[in-house]
Amino acid sequence: LAKTTQPISMDSYEGQEVNITCSHNNIATNDYITWYQQFPSQGPRFIIQGYKTKVTNEVASLFIPADRKSSTLSLPRVSLSDTAVYYCLVGDTHNNAGNMLTFGGGTRLMVKP
Amino acid sequence: DSGVTQTPKHLITATGQRVTLRCSPRSGDLSVYWYQQSLDQGLQFLIQYYNGEERAKGNILERFSAQQFPDLHSELNLSSLELGDSALYFCASSVAPGPIEAFFGQGTRLTVV
Repeated sequence: LAKTTQPISMDSYEGQEVNITCSHNNIATNDYITWYQQFPSQGPRFIIQGYKTKVTNEVASLFIPADRKSSTLSLPRVSLSDTAVYYCLVGDTHNNAGNMLTFGGGTRLMVKP
Repeated sequence: DSGVTQTPKHLITATGQRVTLRCSPRSGDLSVYWYQQSLDQGLQFLIQYYNGEERAKGNILERFSAQQFPDLHSELNLSSLELGDSALYFCASSVAPGPIEAFFGQGTRLTVV
């Protein structure tokens, strides 16, 4: 399984754009990159998933460079309610042998007023 | 509401006891994952089942066991409980065995006294 590395914590202010980068140097050809958000005492919530280039949904954008050794989750105009832990996961969505869906340490984002 | 139901929400028990946590996956989801999250710790993957069969195993203690039943609900059994087993236990489900979008329940908070 590809190991991921993220910053432990980040601070931002309301209305700013936040970019959280995840490093995954050993990503395999069939691996996808998935981001989850977790609030205290709640289960993680899927944010976005991508394989290459750029993916955008109503919540965030995911930028993946050509070598795919890193990815950046971009949250536009954050609000206080975006304060949470953000996890980057890498794995094969078509792995019929099963997958651990392994969460790393995550990035604790604190949005300040 | 993720569609994943975990019961009970809270559980307080004494050391040495045995408890069973229950998870009902989203309708149509065949894969179930179990995670443990201790206070201020990351999500530790325990075990995954897909359509009744064990598919992946993480750092699950020998005192812990799980199974997935024909109706696809799953149970996590924790025995000979220790104080250190106090944690939030999350169940997640997904359609396929690979790490596509997974939906997490609200968790069971276990307190061992």
